[in-house]
Amino acid sequence: EEQLVESGGGVVRPGGSLRLSCAASGFSFDDYGMSWVRQAPGKGLEWVSGINGNGAKTGYGESVKGRFTISRDNAKNSLHLQMNSLTAEDTAFYFCARQAEGLDAWGQGTLVTVSS
Amino acid sequence: SFELTQPPSLSVSPGQTARITCSGDALSKQYVYWYQQRPGQAPILAMFKDSERPSGIPERFSGSSSGTTVTLTITGVQAEDEAVYYCQSADPSRQSVVFGGGTKLTV
Repeated sequence: EEQLVESGGGVVRPGGSLRLSCAASGFSFDDYGMSWVRQAPGKGLEWVSGINGNGAKTGYGESVKGRFTISRDNAKNSLHLQMNSLTAEDTAFYFCARQAEGLDAWGQGTLVTVSS
Repeated sequence: SFELTQPPSLSVSPGQTARITCSGDALSKQYVYWYQQRPGQAPILAMFKDSERPSGIPERFSGSSSGTTVTLTITGVQAEDEAVYYCQSADPSRQSVVFGGGTKLTV
């Protein structure tokens, strides 16, 4: 069964950086595109970024464009999100999700809190 | 801009039918995907390509599309269906994914 486990969340000061990771197992990782989706406490879902199976194509939501970078290491079955210039508005649970017909598998999320 | 509009809330009694709508100008050309999110849990895919049900999703869940509105229907709602439901589509012009604001279903 497919499994996604996020890590790397924590508390960071405004203007700081954080790198999230997502460990994938139970499926052929490089056959699938992957996405990061976030959810601020008590709010709705917001797509953050996506990457195709071989890492050649990426996309970003308007609110993170130029600050966040998505990448993947298919040899290690891992997905990453480098987050720079963080602000309080980036405080959220960050989920990684597998892209198939929709986002058909999700991790449990990792919490990022941006606070001074 | 590419926007998806959902009603914020819907309340139904057990055994009744719940219809959750998702509207957007682009939906006549783009598929919609639905996610169910129970409190404290990650979302799960509840419907794909407007009306295809993933394995493990009960048969009481169905989807339909008409023009620029897509509807998730739950026939014979059960207490376990209480959750927030999000629709999602793709914005090809920006190569991005867009979510609706979510509908909180209260049973």
